[in-house]
Amino acid sequence: DQQVKQNSPSLSVQEGRISILNCDYTNSMFDYFLWYKKYPAEGPTFLISISSIKDKNEDGRFTVFLNKSAKHLSLHIVPSQPGDSAVYFCAASTSSNTGKLIFGQGTTLQVKP
Amino acid sequence: NAGVTQTPKFRVLKTGQSMTLLCAQDMNHEYMYWYRQDPGMGLRLIHYSVGEGTTAKGEVPDGYNVSRLKKQNFLLGLESAAPSQTSVYFCASTLGRTNTGELFFGEGSRLTVL
Repeated sequence: DQQVKQNSPSLSVQEGRISILNCDYTNSMFDYFLWYKKYPAEGPTFLISISSIKDKNEDGRFTVFLNKSAKHLSLHIVPSQPGDSAVYFCAASTSSNTGKLIFGQGTTLQVKP
Repeated sequence: NAGVTQTPKFRVLKTGQSMTLLCAQDMNHEYMYWYRQDPGMGLRLIHYSVGEGTTAKGEVPDGYNVSRLKKQNFLLGLESAAPSQTSVYFCASTLGRTNTGELFFGEGSRLTVL
């Protein structure tokens, strides 16, 4: 039973355009959502997070949107840069289980110059 | 400041052999975790520790044991390796109950069981 799903295995966008990565979840007890970025042969690195009490969080070129009624979140990258090419993982947790993250399968983003 | 360091980076085992993966962090973090990553499945939590001397099971604990004898180290052991344990293993740590879930990951250890 996949509680966190990233239904798009890959995404290709042109440099300077917007990248939109999507994530769906099923467990209504999740109250923190995170995005991690992973380059080949490296560990995941934290990118941005959002609490369930918010519907939007911004950090520079990265914005995460949360739609609780639809159990859906998305990561927007504007403008996309070639260095953003990586695997992006969506993850979720409950506040009582910090660090026990449930990850999605990942989406490979390719930003073409 | 090395962050989270995993050793070894690569290992090939035969079925039935045993081995230990070592994770060391120099950030004085309380919580430490072992995850495994398999193709198409994201990362799954194996075991975790909320402090020195404590360990707990995660989502996929079977076939693994862990120990946290020192705050900075978290060991993952395979007593009798099986091909199903072929995976990339990631150790992670965090300061404590930050309520954000943000983890700091090591670079990973790729294990192949023949």
